[in-house]
This record gives sequence, C-alpha cells and structure tokens, in this order.
Amino acid sequence: EVQLVESGGGLVQPGGSLRLSCAASGFTFSSYAMSWVRQAPGKGLEWVSAISGSGGSTYYADSVKGRFTISRDNSKNTLYLQMNSLRAEDTAVYYCAKCSTMVAASYNWFDPWGQGTLVTVSS
Amino acid sequence: QSVLTQPPSVSEAPRQRVTISCSGSSSNIGNNAVNWYQQLPGKAPKLLIYYDDLLPSGVSDRFSGSKSGTSASLAISGLQSEDEADYYCAAWDDSLNGYVFGTGTKVTVL
Repeated sequence: EVQLVESGGGLVQPGGSLRLSCAASGFTFSSYAMSWVRQAPGKGLEWVSAISGSGGSTYYADSVKGRFTISRDNSKNTLYLQMNSLRAEDTAVYYCAKCSTMVAASYNWFDPWGQGTLVTVSS
Repeated sequence: QSVLTQPPSVSEAPRQRVTISCSGSSSNIGNNAVNWYQQLPGKAPKLLIYYDDLLPSGVSDRFSGSKSGTSASLAISGLQSEDEADYYCAAWDDSLNGYVFGTGTKVTVL
C-alpha cells in the first residue's frame, strides 16, 4: 500500500523558516515525481512545487519562487520542502502527493495524497 | 489566484445528476490533460478522474469526466449523501510552467 506521511509543520514567526518532510513507502520512490500542494484555512487547493524522480528538475508556483526549495533523498524515500522568509499568507495545510510519472511536468495526476501538515505563520 | 474557474456550489436531490464545469484556456485545459479531485470534509483530496475521462480503480462509475476545447466537466449521476464534498479540477499550465487547480465546487445533496 502506498503511504505518504508529512511532518514538520508548526507555528513560525513571519520571516522565519521551516522544513517539511514527507516519508514515502509502498512504491519505488525514485521512479516517481512528487509534488507539494497547500490549502489555506477555508480556501481551495494551491499547487506549490514539484520535483522529478531523479531530483534533477524542479518547478515552483510564482507565489513561493525564491523562498521555497523542494528536494528529495531517494536513499531515504523522503521528500522535503524548505520554506524560508515565511509570510502570513503561507499559512496552510501542506500536502505531499505522488505524481503519476517520473517527469514532474505536464501529464501528471496526483495520487495518493498524504494527510497533510499544518503550517501557521504568525507572531 | 486560480486560473481554472468552477462554480462555487451546486446542489441537487438524491438520485439526481449534477455537472460541474471547469473553464480554462489554451495553455492549460486546451493543451493538457484534466484531472479531478474529491475532498471530503476534513480529509485529504482524492483522485477522482484522470486524463480527462478515466476512472481510477475503486472509484464509482457514477462519476464521469469530459473535455471539449478549453473546458472540462465532471458529472455525478445517482447522487448520494456520501458525495457531499468539494471537487477540484486541475491541469498543467504551459505558460505558468506549473500545475493549476480550479476554484473548487461544493456539492450539496438536498
């Protein structure tokens, strides 16, 4: 069974940093791209970032470009999201999701999703 | 800011049929596959339809997807109370070089 378990969320002050992790199991991790999607309280889904299976290609939403960095450790079956210069508008539940192919761009669907981890940016 | 537009809500009686539209542009829906996700209250999203009109294993065939030009639709037939959820369309956007989600539609079973 494919499982994705996020961790690392919490309360952080504006301008601070946080690193999210997503532990994957049940599939050959390096063979699939991975993605982060967030959902602000009471709002819709917003795609954040994606990374190819090898880690060689990365993509970001304009809202986080230059502040967030996606990475993966295929030896540990773990996906990361390093979040710097955090803002109040980054407050959200962050989900990791498995992409359907090794390539991060284009014809992918997200399945499954983790349970999410809450990030709150507030002073 | 979502670039895929959905109606905020739709409602219908049990056993009836509802459709949810998703309007985009040539850079996303018009040139890439559309996927649909269901989010039950308090839960993580779940894949409902992929590659425009394909059903993942285990998803009820009461759900169906279609696409024409720069718009896509999700239909739910034989509406049941367990279908009450938020539904989102999504696609890759060639101009933004990233994925985009729809604004989301809340389905209510009367």
